[in-house]
Amino acid sequence: RKEVEQDPGPFNVPEGATVAFNCTYSNSASQSFFWYRQDCRKEPKLLMSVYSSGNEDGRFTAQLNRASQYISLLIRDSKLSDSATYLCVVNINNFNKFYFGSGTKLNVKP
Amino acid sequence: DGGITQSPKYLFRKEGQNVTLSCEQNLNHDAMYWYRQDPGQGLRLIYYSQIVNDFQKGDIAEGYSVSREKKESFPLTVTSAQKNPTAFYLCASSIRTGNWQPQHFGDGTRLSIL
Repeated sequence: RKEVEQDPGPFNVPEGATVAFNCTYSNSASQSFFWYRQDCRKEPKLLMSVYSSGNEDGRFTAQLNRASQYISLLIRDSKLSDSATYLCVVNINNFNKFYFGSGTKLNVKP
Repeated sequence: DGGITQSPKYLFRKEGQNVTLSCEQNLNHDAMYWYRQDPGQGLRLIYYSQIVNDFQKGDIAEGYSVSREKKESFPLTVTSAQKNPTAFYLCASSIRTGNWQPQHFGDGTRLSIL
């Protein structure tokens, strides 16, 4: 079983739409959680950390559900520039080893 | 500017040849990592190092080797034993301690077979 699983998509949404992705993790000892954005043929870039209390940054909101072992990312008022692959990342037990999901592809259309 | 520099951006390998990918960081991070990404797939960990002169195998270490002689540098050698080396290679670093220290990535090296 993979440590981190994501729906690969693609999610095709019109500009201005609200879209949400989930990511499930298998290890209950997971300690910290992140969302990264990866553009085509580029390196991943940190979008936001996902705290137990949730995290909001402008149009982006991340939530953590420890009981069900998933994290979510909500994007409001989608822009064309939000088109990318969104990677879920989990760190277990404070060891410096990170597990990456395969990513969810988002296409925002005019 | 602080960051992670990978070179070269593109690299071609001949059959039977070893090639080395460079990764340098000036973020003063203790931990460094090498990942491989194949088209349409997630990142897979090759090797990681938490401190100078120490490194551990990741999930797909066969056919690769690393060294960590300096804090700033973590080169990856793709040996001739790696039969399918064509991929996008990403180097990352993070502060050693603390749960909430995310990884920061270089802009990658694309390796292809000639």
